[in-house]
Amino acid sequence: SYELTQPPSVSVAPGETARISCGGSNIGGKSVHWYQQKPGQAPVLVIYYDSDRPSGIPERFSGSNSGNTATLTIIRVEAGDEADYYCQVLDRSDHLWVFGRGTKLTVL
Amino acid sequence: EVQLLESGGGLVQPGGSLRLSCAASGFTFTNYAMNWVRQAPGKGLEWVSTISYSGYSTYYADSVKGRFTISRDSSKNTLYLQLNSLRAEDSAVYYCAREEVGFDYWGQGTLVTVSP
Repeated sequence: SYELTQPPSVSVAPGETARISCGGSNIGGKSVHWYQQKPGQAPVLVIYYDSDRPSGIPERFSGSNSGNTATLTIIRVEAGDEADYYCQVLDRSDHLWVFGRGTKLTVL
Repeated sequence: EVQLLESGGGLVQPGGSLRLSCAASGFTFTNYAMNWVRQAPGKGLEWVSTISYSGYSTYYADSVKGRFTISRDSSKNTLYLQLNSLRAEDSAVYYCAREEVGFDYWGQGTLVTVSP
């Protein structure tokens, strides 16, 4: 089965840039979606199709995907961005959705 | 406004059964595939099951295949998940989610606890 690898944690200071990676075999050939989940809340879609933002998501959030790594980038990080972030792809061979294990973003 | 409201969670003994419901509103239910995703306490997200917009196609994670059944009732705009032969490791918050480009709307979840 397809696996996605995320770092358990990323820490950045306010105003800096956070980059959260999501590794997978030839992930560049798949569409990657990213979710933000704050404690006690349901996940929220923040990036779809590698780099598109749903309405209401700040332009500070962006995504890229190439080769074996997809990346969620958050510029000018704010305290309110502190959350768990998950990447997701569809393993089309079995129509199985796969989530990464999640990355906890800490704003110092 | 799109709304998804789960219900049916609770405490159940190992080997028991439960049926979860997800009432959908604010969109044309029959136009979208729907999903169940779960999250064990302190753990990450785990996709559980998908049902196509028509209901004709269903897909399951290996961890629940043969024990859980997803279904939908378009007359009630409701998504279901029948959970059978429950195990301790099935304890989690279960979310329903609409699928369009990724999972664009989620409910608030319903807690299932499997314990003697």
